Amino acid sequence: KNQVEQSPQSLIILEGKNCTLQCNYTVSPFSNLRWYKQDTGRGPVSLTIMTFSENTKSNGRYTATLDADTKQSSLHITASQLSDSASYICVVSPRLQAWGKLQFGAGTQVVVTP
Amino acid sequence: AAGVIQSPRHLIKEKRETATLKCYPIPRHDTVYWYQQGPGQDPQFLISFYEKMQSDKGSIPDRFSAQQFSDYHSELNMSSLELGDSALYFCASSLSRTSQYNEQFFGPGTRLTVL
Repeated sequence: KNQVEQSPQSLIILEGKNCTLQCNYTVSPFSNLRWYKQDTGRGPVSLTIMTFSENTKSNGRYTATLDADTKQSSLHITASQLSDSASYICVVSPRLQAWGKLQFGAGTQVVVTP
Repeated sequence: AAGVIQSPRHLIKEKRETATLKCYPIPRHDTVYWYQQGPGQDPQFLISFYEKMQSDKGSIPDRFSAQQFSDYHSELNMSSLELGDSALYFCASSLSRTSQYNEQFFGPGTRLTVL
């Protein structure tokens, strides 16, 4: 069973609207949680990264939240743009694994339409 | 800022052939990771190197090998290629010792197609 679950699997939103993506994880112990944006056929690009002691982090129109008690994170996209169309991947880094072997979620495919 | 460079970007091979993928990490990064991402799947960790030594091993087949060289670039060697090896292969690099997050920066990937 995947230790990082994302929802929804896909999402279609109108340009200019907001949306929220969810990530639940069971990875324990836990070091940090990252959100990546991956365009089709390209490498993942980091949006935010948070340790267990951080509750929220923003990067432009992207805001991530983390509740380490309930093991949940969300990524909020504000005023979506066509260029936001991509897969958004939640990635958790386990603690005590020296070289940062990451646990990937399956991603949420976001399509922004005009 | 310099990013992770991978070459080639696209590669087409026949079954049972060999392939070599190259990764050039961000300057001064000491750790390199290799991932395989099949169609519609999330990336699977293959192997990582820290200071030219293998540091962790994931689901890398025995037909694959990798190494990190003195200039920190890494090569993934794939032999006896199978159709199922067709995937995007990502390399990532990080600066392990001083980073609180050990954040990995990904390259653009090499798309390998095995015919």
